[in-house]
Amino acid sequence: DVKVTQSSRYLVKRTGEKVFLECVQDMDHENMFWYRQDPGLGLRLIYFSYDVKMKEKGDIPEGYSVSREKKERFSLILESASTNQTSMYLCASIRSGRRETQYFGPGTRLLVL
Amino acid sequence: AQSVTQLGSHVSVSEGALVLLRCNYSSSVPPYLFWYVQYPNQGLQLLLKYTSAATLVKGINGFEAEFKKSETSFHLTKPSAHMSDAAEYFCAVSDPTGNQFYFGTGTSLTVIP
Repeated sequence: DVKVTQSSRYLVKRTGEKVFLECVQDMDHENMFWYRQDPGLGLRLIYFSYDVKMKEKGDIPEGYSVSREKKERFSLILESASTNQTSMYLCASIRSGRRETQYFGPGTRLLVL
Repeated sequence: AQSVTQLGSHVSVSEGALVLLRCNYSSSVPPYLFWYVQYPNQGLQLLLKYTSAATLVKGINGFEAEFKKSETSFHLTKPSAHMSDAAEYFCAVSDPTGNQFYFGTGTSLTVIP
């Protein structure tokens, strides 16, 4: 059974803190994604990665960075958390070029105070 | 360019009634279309997908969707709603490479006993 796991289900952080969200997939997928989900806005792509050490900006990369040192792991970093980054963060992965479904992790609900 | 529009951010139906969730797409190439369901505080799960085979696609939990090219639509239906169907539903289209997905803003389904 395919699996995408995220390091935390719930996080509470303070403004200005550096925040790490980790995602691990066990399907040997090349492509991994970070989305944020907000009511009425659906899923918005923050960053994605096609391969180890490669990254591409999505639609809303400001205030975020990513790291992909190993194929199975994709980390999202909030360099200095702000209250407007309070959101649900979803990680997904997909095998490259197959036009299959993306597989999603359970999400991390982040609250920045 | 690819995009999807979901009409109706909130839909309420009575238990046992027909469920109809609307999705219209825009795609410069023959589209691959997906419906996902998200239960509270969980990630997205694939309900069904259209990949240019049969225009009527059957998914899990009794859901189905019909691809209508002339109407650029991919509406999701279920003949009889169950309380367990209450969730958020997302329509998505993938880009020609299959590597990126474009999501609608979601429809929240409420089932009234």
